[in-house]
Amino acid sequence: DAKTTQPPSMDCAEGRAANLPCNHSTISGNEYVYWYRQIHSQGPQYIIHGLKNNETNEMASLIITEDRKSSTLILPHATLRDTAVYYCIVKLDSGYALNFGKGTSLLVTP
Amino acid sequence: GAVVSQHPSWVICKSGTSVKIECRSLDFQATTMFWYRQFPKQSLMLMATSNEGSKATYEQGVEKDKFLINHASLTLSTLTVTSAHPEDSSFYICSARDPRGEKLFFGSGTQLSVL
Repeated sequence: DAKTTQPPSMDCAEGRAANLPCNHSTISGNEYVYWYRQIHSQGPQYIIHGLKNNETNEMASLIITEDRKSSTLILPHATLRDTAVYYCIVKLDSGYALNFGKGTSLLVTP
Repeated sequence: GAVVSQHPSWVICKSGTSVKIECRSLDFQATTMFWYRQFPKQSLMLMATSNEGSKATYEQGVEKDKFLINHASLTLSTLTVTSAHPEDSSFYICSARDPRGEKLFFGSGTQLSVL
């Protein structure tokens, strides 16, 4: 799986959009970009994933650059409950395990 | 979305005893489940891949005789920590792939404390 690079921490004010970047410059053509988050002392939660096109669901939007070397997870209106560690993971197929890096610790403040 | 249930959510045991952790997929069948371990302030580390009806595949450095994995049915995988020691204290998390989509779902984790 391709390696990803994320900032170790970010802050965001409640109600504002949180934009979490991820670099994956060695991604191959058939690798997906997955985003998960882990709230303290809980198991990781799936957020969104994509291959080439931008994706949106009820939780977030995923913007993938045209060259696929980076992506941004957008939480449009962050709440205090969005405080968590966010992991960007690149992998071939969901049949294989996810390899977690250090992620980005997002703190949403009142 | 799919649900993966993990039990117990926390356990305290004495050194030298064994502890069993269960992971169930509630609304789908999982031929493959994964077990992770997470130490405080660190990321999740994959321990092993559990395959229904066959032996588990362990990551390098994980003792297969200490961390026994059984995947006897399509909805249940168990991890037994044998002869637990304080250094085995950790947060253990299982995950399973929902075959209806390209996602892995995770259990809520088990906090193991060995005294």
